[in-house]
Amino acid sequence: SQQGEEDPQALSIQEGENATMNCSYKTSINNLQWYRQNSGRGLVHLILIRSNEREKHSGRLRVTLDTSKKSSSLLITASRAADTASYFCATVVTGANNLFFGTGTRLTVIP
Amino acid sequence: NAGVMQNPRHLVRRRGQEARLRCSPMKGHSHVYWYRQLPEEGLKFMVYLQKENIIDESGMPKERFSAEFPKEGPSILRIQQVVRGDSAAYFCASSPSGGNTGELFFGEGSRLTVL
Repeated sequence: SQQGEEDPQALSIQEGENATMNCSYKTSINNLQWYRQNSGRGLVHLILIRSNEREKHSGRLRVTLDTSKKSSSLLITASRAADTASYFCATVVTGANNLFFGTGTRLTVIP
Repeated sequence: NAGVMQNPRHLVRRRGQEARLRCSPMKGHSHVYWYRQLPEEGLKFMVYLQKENIIDESGMPKERFSAEFPKEGPSILRIQQVVRGDSAAYFCASSPSGGNTGELFFGEGSRLTVL
C-alpha cells in the first residue's frame, strides 16, 4: 500500500502542552501534506512540505520531513481545546498526481 | 467564492438501489478526486478525474462503481446495486493543478447509509 501510517493512533493532552504526531510512508514522494478533520466534517489542509525541504513552520505548526527514513512529524505547540480533531498525513508519490492518506491520529486536547 | 460543494450530505438507500453522489469543484478547479472513509479510518483513494477524463481509477472497485466529470456540470460518483459494505462517507476534493503541486480542497462529504 502507498498509504502512510500515523503514530500514535490517539493522543490526549492538556491544553497548553505540545502535541507531536508522526507519519511514516513507503515510497519516494514529491511532497507530503498534513490535513485536519473535525468530527463529521471534511478535511482542511494545514501545511505542505516538499521532498527537498526538511522543516517548515506555519503559526503554531512545525513539520519536519526525513526522506532517508521516509517519515514526517507534525508538532502543534501550545495546544488549545479547539485543536481537538483527527490529523492525517498525505503523500504524493513521485510521478503520480494522487494523494494517499494515512490512518490518522486522533488528538484530544483537554481544557 | 464557494468551496467544494457535495450533495446530498446524507443519503439512505436499500440494498440493490443506486446511489448518486455529486460534487461541484471550486471555481477554476479542473481536477477532482473522490475518496471513501469508513468510520474511525483514513481516506481511501478511489478515482482522479479531469474534465471529461478519468486519469486514475485504480482505487475504485471494478464493478458497480463509476465516476464521471463532464464538460458541464458536477462530477458524479455512481454506485449501482448498493450493498451494506458501501456504507461510508464519500469525500470529493478539487485542485487547480493536481495534488502533486499543491493542496486539495475538500467538500463536507456525502454520508451513505445502506439499509
